Formats: sequence, structure tokens, C-alpha cells
Amino acid sequence: EVQLVESGGGVVQPGRSLRLSCAASGFTFQDYAMHWVRQVPGKGLEWVSGISWNSGTIGYADSVKGRFTISRDNAKNSLYVQMNSLRPEDTAFYYCAKDGSKFSGWTFFDYWGQGTLVTVSS
Amino acid sequence: SYELTQPPSVSVSPRQTASITCSGDKLGNKYACWYQQKPGQSPVLVIYQDTKRPSGIPERFSGSNSGNTATLTISGTQAMDEADYYCQAWDSSTAVVFGGGTKLIVL
Repeated sequence: EVQLVESGGGVVQPGRSLRLSCAASGFTFQDYAMHWVRQVPGKGLEWVSGISWNSGTIGYADSVKGRFTISRDNAKNSLYVQMNSLRPEDTAFYYCAKDGSKFSGWTFFDYWGQGTLVTVSS
Repeated sequence: SYELTQPPSVSVSPRQTASITCSGDKLGNKYACWYQQKPGQSPVLVIYQDTKRPSGIPERFSGSNSGNTATLTISGTQAMDEADYYCQAWDSSTAVVFGGGTKLIVL
């Protein structure tokens, strides 16, 4: 059974940093691209960042480019996002999502974690 | 940047057919997929690569994609299908794009 478990969310002041983690199990983690998607409570989905299976291709939404850094550790079956210079508009649930195609670029997301809430507030 | 447009809400009576559209420039040249999200839950993939259903998704869910419009069709809609639905595509310039979401109301 595929499981994605996010951690690291919480309340942080504007301008500070936070690192989210996603522990993956139930599939061959190193074969798939992984993504972070966020959702402001009550609003729609926004893709934040994606990383290919071998970390060779990385992409970011314009809204986080230069502030967030995605990474992965295939030996630990883990996905991360380092979020710096956080802003109130970064407040959202952050989901870890598995790409649906092996050894491919961004396609669709066939499994999602339960999400972790990040609140940026003074 | 690439945009996908969905109607904010769609209403349907039980056992009738619901159609939710997703519009984008030359969307038919890309693959579209659809997610269902119920309150307090994570999104669930219901259609990928325009027409394919993941394992465990009921046959009443189907998809199409042509021209500028992708469509999610739910045949014989049930009360349990009431949820928010999001379309998604991939574009070389903006990577992953989501539509704004459609609330399906089963009256």
C-alpha cells in the first residue's frame, strides 16, 4: 500500500524558514518524480514544486521560485522542501504527491499524502 | 502563463449525468486528468491521460479531451459524488497547472 506522510508543518513568523518532509513507502520511490502541492483552506490546488526521479529535473511555481528548494533522498525514501523567506500568503496545507509515470517528467498525481498545515503569521 | 478554467459549480439530480468542463488553449494537445476532493480529505485521482480510470474508481466516471476542452462525465450520479473536482494538465512553460475547481452539487 502506497503511503505518503508529511511532517514539519506549524506556525512560523513571516521571513522565517521551515522544512517539510515526506516519508514514502509502498512503492519504488527512486523510480518516480515527486511533487509538493498546496491548498489554502477553502481554496483551490496550487502546484508548488516537482523533482524528477533522479533529481535531474526540478521545477517551481513562480510564486515560490527563489525561496523554496525541493530535494529528495532516494536512500531514505524521502522528499523535502526547504521554505525560506516565508510570507503570509504561503499559509496553506502542503501535500506531498507521487507522480503517476515511471522515469518520466510531470504527468499526473496518483497518490497524495494527508497534508501538513503551514501557517505564516506574526 | 497557461490557465485552465472550470465553472465554479455544477448541479445535478441523483441518477442523472453530470458534466464538468475544463478549458484551456489547445488543451486537447495535452493530457488532462481529474481529481476529486471531499471536505477534509486529500485529492483522489479519478481520471488520467484524458480517459483512463485508476483502479478502484467506479465506471460511472469517464473523461474526454478535444480542442480546447476536457470534460469529466459522471453517469448515474450518486450523493457520494458530491465533492470538489479539479482538472490538471502539464505545460512545458509552466509545468503543472490546475483548474480553479468545480463544486459538484447533488440536489
